[in-house]
Amino acid sequence: AQTVTQSQPEMSVQEAETVTLSCTYDTSENNYYLFWYKQPPSRQMILVIRQEAYKQQNATENRFSVNFQKAAKSFSLKISDSQLGDTAMYFCAFSLTGANSKLTFGKGITLSVRP
Amino acid sequence: SQTIHQWPATLVQPVGSPLSLECTVEGTSNPNLYWYRQAAGRGLQLLFYSVGIGQISSEVPQNLSASRPQDRQFILSSKKLLLSDSGFYLCAWSVRQGQSSYNSPLHFGNGTRLTVT
Repeated sequence: AQTVTQSQPEMSVQEAETVTLSCTYDTSENNYYLFWYKQPPSRQMILVIRQEAYKQQNATENRFSVNFQKAAKSFSLKISDSQLGDTAMYFCAFSLTGANSKLTFGKGITLSVRP
Repeated sequence: SQTIHQWPATLVQPVGSPLSLECTVEGTSNPNLYWYRQAAGRGLQLLFYSVGIGQISSEVPQNLSASRPQDRQFILSSKKLLLSDSGFYLCAWSVRQGQSSYNSPLHFGNGTRLTVT
């Protein structure tokens, strides 16, 4: 079975600064996908970024980028130029390929952006 | 464009009462459908998923059940609610990829806050 671990329950960052959220996972498979989802106070789950395990290049989406270390089974999210609207819970998630998108989620981390 | 509707947004039910949460998807066909539960301080736990009408897979043994009477309709039910059923329930859909290795991301509804008293 696959597991996803987010060991930091809470983090805080000053507006305009950069913050990195950590995530590790465990799997014996070689082909899979990793995701970061954002859940703002509205509780709506929003996809932030996705990484295919077979790609060595780290995914980026505007101010969001990942540091994917396959050997270490690490998948961290970097948020640059933090904005107040980035305040939310962030979930790391894992999915095997061909698994019809069944995602295994970590427990999440609460990020607060300070003005 | 595709949209997902989930209702009700909030629900307060006494222990032992029945439950029915409904989710519908518009703008797509043959989606994979999912029910997740988010308990306080915990991540999302997959409860059920469906790859087609009448096809339901259960991930966690419990007193909840799911049904898919129509292609884009997914219902979460219980005959008798327990206190432990309280939580935030999220419906989600994804594009069905068949045997493809491409994994479509999940698209979530706005969720239902269920409080069992």
